[in-house]
Amino acid sequence: AQSVTQLDSHVSVSEGTPVLLRCNYSSSYSPSLFWYVQHPNKGLQLLLKYTSAATLVKGINGFEAEFKKSETSFHLTKPSAHMSDAAEYFCVVSDRAGNNRKLIWGLGTSLAVNP
Amino acid sequence: GAVVSQHPSRVICKSGTSVKIECRSLDFQATTMFWYRQFPKQSLMLMATSNEGSKATYEQGVEKDKFLINHASLTLSTLTVTSAHPEDSSFYICSARAGADSGNTIYFGEGSWLTVV
Repeated sequence: AQSVTQLDSHVSVSEGTPVLLRCNYSSSYSPSLFWYVQHPNKGLQLLLKYTSAATLVKGINGFEAEFKKSETSFHLTKPSAHMSDAAEYFCVVSDRAGNNRKLIWGLGTSLAVNP
Repeated sequence: GAVVSQHPSRVICKSGTSVKIECRSLDFQATTMFWYRQFPKQSLMLMATSNEGSKATYEQGVEKDKFLINHASLTLSTLTVTSAHPEDSSFYICSARAGADSGNTIYFGEGSWLTVV
């Protein structure tokens, strides 16, 4: 069965410093992996996704993530944090059971960006 | 890009009444839609998977008679919370999956805040 573990429930960085949000997964299949962002009182926005192409995936707003099969990780990074990056981030793996491909969600990491 | 619209974005209802939330895919057809519930500062919990023209598949622990899901067309799914109680107050989010020609991408609505008083 698929599962996702976000290793930090809360991360705090200073503006202009790098961001690292960690995610480990387990999957019986070749997984599809996603990072979503949710700003306060807003819906979910897809940041990036990995679907068995290049292992380094570039997303929107300067974020990127690297799929490392040997480490079963899909950590999200950004070289320089901006105040507008403060939000909740979810790592997600696609469950390929049947044809529905449900999404299995991590518990989320709250990112705070300090001035 | 593809847009999924949820309506209403916020709703307050009295305890014991029913409330309907709509989820529409605006520029693509979605054979599959998903309904999630999110408690404050927690992750999304999948409630049910809705396939157009067939009965929804509910996750374990979700009461299908309380959370009625109808997926009547390829662009509309509805969630009806029946006989709502304060503990049903939550943030409900739907998502819709585009077809294979769009990479089976899943798009999310902006969510609906339900408050039961």
